[in-house]
Formats: sequence, C-alpha cells, structure tokens
Amino acid sequence: KQEVTQIPAALSVPEGENLVLNCSFTDSAIYNLQWFRQDPGKGLTSLLLIQSSQREQTSGRLNASLDKSSGRSTLYIAASQPGDSATYLCAVETQGGSEKLVFGKGTKLTVNP
Amino acid sequence: GAGVSQTPSNKVTEKGKYVELRCDPISGHTALYWYRQSLGQGPEFLIYFQGTGAADDSGLPNDRFFAVRPEGSVSTLKIQRTERGDSAVYLCASSLRAGGKGNEQFFGPGTRLTVL
Repeated sequence: KQEVTQIPAALSVPEGENLVLNCSFTDSAIYNLQWFRQDPGKGLTSLLLIQSSQREQTSGRLNASLDKSSGRSTLYIAASQPGDSATYLCAVETQGGSEKLVFGKGTKLTVNP
Repeated sequence: GAGVSQTPSNKVTEKGKYVELRCDPISGHTALYWYRQSLGQGPEFLIYFQGTGAADDSGLPNDRFFAVRPEGSVSTLKIQRTERGDSAVYLCASSLRAGGKGNEQFFGPGTRLTVL
C-alpha cells in the first residue's frame, strides 16, 4: 500500500528566503508525482506534475525534483513571498492500481513579511 | 466554465438525512475522481469514473456512499443516513485521460459538508 509522507508539517520563514519542502513515498512504481497548493478553505491548485521518466519540472520560482528509485521528491521555492503562504501537498499515482492519487498530509508554509 | 465546478459549496445537514453533492468536470475530460479531505489531512480517494462507469470504487467507506455519472460528464456523490463522521470537504477532480497513465488531475473548490 502506497504511503506518502511530507516533512516538515509546518514551516515559517521570513520573506525572501529560498526553501525546500520534502515528500517521500514507499512504493517507487509510480506513473507521476504532483505538487499542489491549497489555500485555507479552498480546493487544490496543481503546481507541477513530474512524470516517472522525468527528473524535474520548473515553473517560475518553483522547481520540483523526483528521485523515483529512492522514493523522494523535493519542491524548491526561490525568493519566497508572503503570497506563497499556503499548504503544499504532494501526491503520487501508483502503477498497478487505478489512477487514483495518494496524498501526503501537507506542509503548511507561512512566509512572514 | 474553464475549471471543475462543485455545488453546493457548503452543505449543513442533520444526522440521518440524505445529501447529494454535484461535480461538473472540465469539458472533454473523460476521467472523474472523488476525494474526501478531513481537517488537517490530505485528500483520500473515494471513487474514480472512466466515462460513465465506476472503474474503481474501493475508497467508498461503506454502502451509505454511492456515486453516479450517467452521461459521462456531471457526477453526483450521494450519501444516505449521514453521520457526524461524514463531515469533511468533498473534492472532485477530472483529467483528460486520452489513453495511457499519468494525466494531470485538476480539482474543484470542494463541498464542505457538516453533519450536525
């Protein structure tokens, strides 16, 4: 059974810092890994999708890497801004099952002005 | 619309009542998913449709939960005899699923269900 863990559970940083969020998964047989952002009381916004054959994806100040063999992904946020404050969730789609996503519990990020 | 829409945005009901939650996926997306998110947790899978049929309903917690997608577009999640433990945010997602795996899932804003 696929399990996804995110560390840390919460993170508070001053504006302008570069930061890294971590995600690990137990079953390396995945199709893809997706990073999402969730604002309080809102749905999920897809940030980056990394296919299993890829090593990283970049969008603006965000960079996500994937090491499938070790079951790890990192989300790097450069030059953080107060508007980046949200909960960040990672999710994997596992081979051999249906196309469901298995999520971690998320990292709650606060960027202080 | 351009994104996944869900109605209602909030639903308050009494224990034992029946509720229906609606999801309207992105036009042209053949795959539709329902997830449930409890406070402080990540979303948990409930059911997945490919077209009109439920391809995987292994996440439905018990037989009080049922979902349909009769025309392969809009889906309704139905909960009978609601219990306080059903209180959560119910999220719907859709993906293009034009063959193969690994398509990106796009989520709606969710329906917050509160059972009193």
